[in-house]
Amino acid sequence: KQEVTQIPAALSVPEGENLVLNCSFTDSAIYNLQWFRQDPGKGLTSLLLIQSSQREQTSGRLNASLDKSSGRSTLYIAASQPGDSATYLCAGTDSWGKLQFGAGTQVVVTP
Amino acid sequence: EAEVAQSPRYKITEKSQAVAFWCDPISGHATLYWYRQILGQGPELLVQFQDESVVDDSQLPKDRFSAERLKGVDSTLKIQPAELGDSAMYLCASSDSYEQYFGPGTRLTVT
Repeated sequence: KQEVTQIPAALSVPEGENLVLNCSFTDSAIYNLQWFRQDPGKGLTSLLLIQSSQREQTSGRLNASLDKSSGRSTLYIAASQPGDSATYLCAGTDSWGKLQFGAGTQVVVTP
Repeated sequence: EAEVAQSPRYKITEKSQAVAFWCDPISGHATLYWYRQILGQGPELLVQFQDESVVDDSQLPKDRFSAERLKGVDSTLKIQPAELGDSAMYLCASSDSYEQYFGPGTRLTVT
């Protein structure tokens, strides 16, 4: 069974600092890797999807990389803002589309 | 922008009562998922539908949970009887290919 781990569990940074969020998975046969944002008490918002043939995706201040051989993905958020405060979850997809989630990293960006 | 709709947003019920959640996926999305998210953890898949057929319900507690998607469009998840341990966020997602899009969720509290 695929296991997904996110470290650290919580992170606090001052505004303007770059964020680096880590995700590791045990099964290199992962199909896709998806990063989500979740605000307290809300649903999940998809941030980036890295398909199996890709190594990274970028959207605005966000960049995510995927290294299947080492079982790791990293989400970079440049020049963090207080509005970036949320929980960030990564999830690996198998060929059936089933997502296996990590427990998330709770981020606080202080003004 | 098309969204996944869920209702109710919040539900408080007493132990041993029945409760039902509804999900309307993005139009045209053939795949529908129900997830359960316990506070502080990542979502876990309960059931996956492809059109009206169940693809994966291996993690669904079938003695008390049931799910249906009769016409391959909207879906209902039912719990009967509810237990204290069922308190969680219930999330619905839909997909037409690689990426899953989540609804706002239903927060269930069992007292």
